[in-house]
Amino acid sequence: DGGITQSPKYLFRKEGQNVTLSCEQNLNHDAMYWYRQDPGQGLRLIYYSQIVNDFQKGDIAEGYSVSREKKESFPLTVTSAQKNPTAFYLCASSIENPGQGYGYTFGSGTRLTVV
Amino acid sequence: GQQVMQIPQYQHVQEGEDFTTYCNSSTTLSNIQWYKQRPGGHPVFLIQLVKSGEVKKQKRLTFQFGEAKKNSSLHITATQTTDVGTYFCAGARSRDDKIIFGKGTRLHILP
Repeated sequence: DGGITQSPKYLFRKEGQNVTLSCEQNLNHDAMYWYRQDPGQGLRLIYYSQIVNDFQKGDIAEGYSVSREKKESFPLTVTSAQKNPTAFYLCASSIENPGQGYGYTFGSGTRLTVV
Repeated sequence: GQQVMQIPQYQHVQEGEDFTTYCNSSTTLSNIQWYKQRPGGHPVFLIQLVKSGEVKKQKRLTFQFGEAKKNSSLHITATQTTDVGTYFCAGARSRDDKIIFGKGTRLHILP
């Protein structure tokens, strides 16, 4: 079955540490996205990539970094510079820009907690 | 900044009652999408509306896109316990197709 796999499901990080969240898709989608979700909030865009070896900052990119070396993979690193990293992180993909009319397919998410 | 406002934030209904959530944008949208997120889950794409005044139905769910393409609604008829979750709208700005999510409406069903 095609889909998006995020790992791990739960992640605990000590303050000052960098941590990398994995996102892999086998849907052959060109575009991939990282969103952050806080309780009672909508989804806020961190980074997105529409093609391999290229990515763009979203609305809240500070303290995060990404890479897109392969079409299938779009890992997100939460750095120590991110002031409030505890959140639910969602990876998504789409055939093209969802603004063109294609919906997102989301992964099951990673819940990151800073301890 | 340009936003997509979604109301209400929370809604409690008796099982069998109807439910509606509204989405309003400060700018014209090229399309609007709706997602459902079950408690503890991830958003799942429900539908996309593109045309002015468009109405689409999925069983007990009715989706509307306003004539001015600035607002949308999702109506659920005769709610069931399986409808529990948070419903998000996501609008694509006409000028650059940027997707903006509403904050969602959390639906709770009272048995």
